[in-house]
Amino acid sequence: AQTVTQSQPEMSVQEAETVTLSCTYDTSESDYYLFWYKQPPSRQMILVIRQEAYKQQNATENRFSVNFQKAAKSFSLKISDSQLGDAAMYFCAYNPGNTGKLIFGQGTTLQVKP
Amino acid sequence: NAGVTQTPKFRILKIGQSMTLQCTQDMNHNYMYWYRQDPGMGLKLIYYSVGAGITDKGEVPNGYNVSRSTTEDFPLRLELAAPSQTSVYFCASSSDPPNYEQYFGPGTRLTVT
Repeated sequence: AQTVTQSQPEMSVQEAETVTLSCTYDTSESDYYLFWYKQPPSRQMILVIRQEAYKQQNATENRFSVNFQKAAKSFSLKISDSQLGDAAMYFCAYNPGNTGKLIFGQGTTLQVKP
Repeated sequence: NAGVTQTPKFRILKIGQSMTLQCTQDMNHNYMYWYRQDPGMGLKLIYYSVGAGITDKGEVPNGYNVSRSTTEDFPLRLELAAPSQTSVYFCASSSDPPNYEQYFGPGTRLTVT
């Protein structure tokens, strides 16, 4: 079965510093998609970044970047220059690429300290 | 553009009651999904649809039913509500492959007592 594991239930970072959230997944597929979603207290799910498995280059979106290690099945999210507005729950999600169904990890709650 | 809208935002049900959660999207997406999120957990797929008239089960379909008569609407029906169905329910939609970015509604918080 395809699974997604986030081993850090909670993380904290000082404002303006960098933090990395971990995610590992299990699949036998070779082509798939990986996502990081942010869920602030408002509950709205917001897409942060997306990675296609066939692309070797790591995705980047402004202060957010990923470290995608396909052989190790690892997909970590790096947040640079952390801001108070980054405080939220972050979910890693896997999409096998045939139906669009997402499989989510358990989430990591990120606290940003001023 | 409203995106994905869900009604109601909150609802309290008694055990054994039934209700329908409404979901509408205005992006002309073929793919639509229903997820539930239990406290402190990630989202789990209940049902999904790849187009009008086509639906399929996800990971946790028991106790729920769906229909998809139009591209825009994807209601979720709860029959004989149970306390285990207390959760936050999210509807989402996405365009056709290979772009699988899903757009989520604001969620419905349901409590069954």
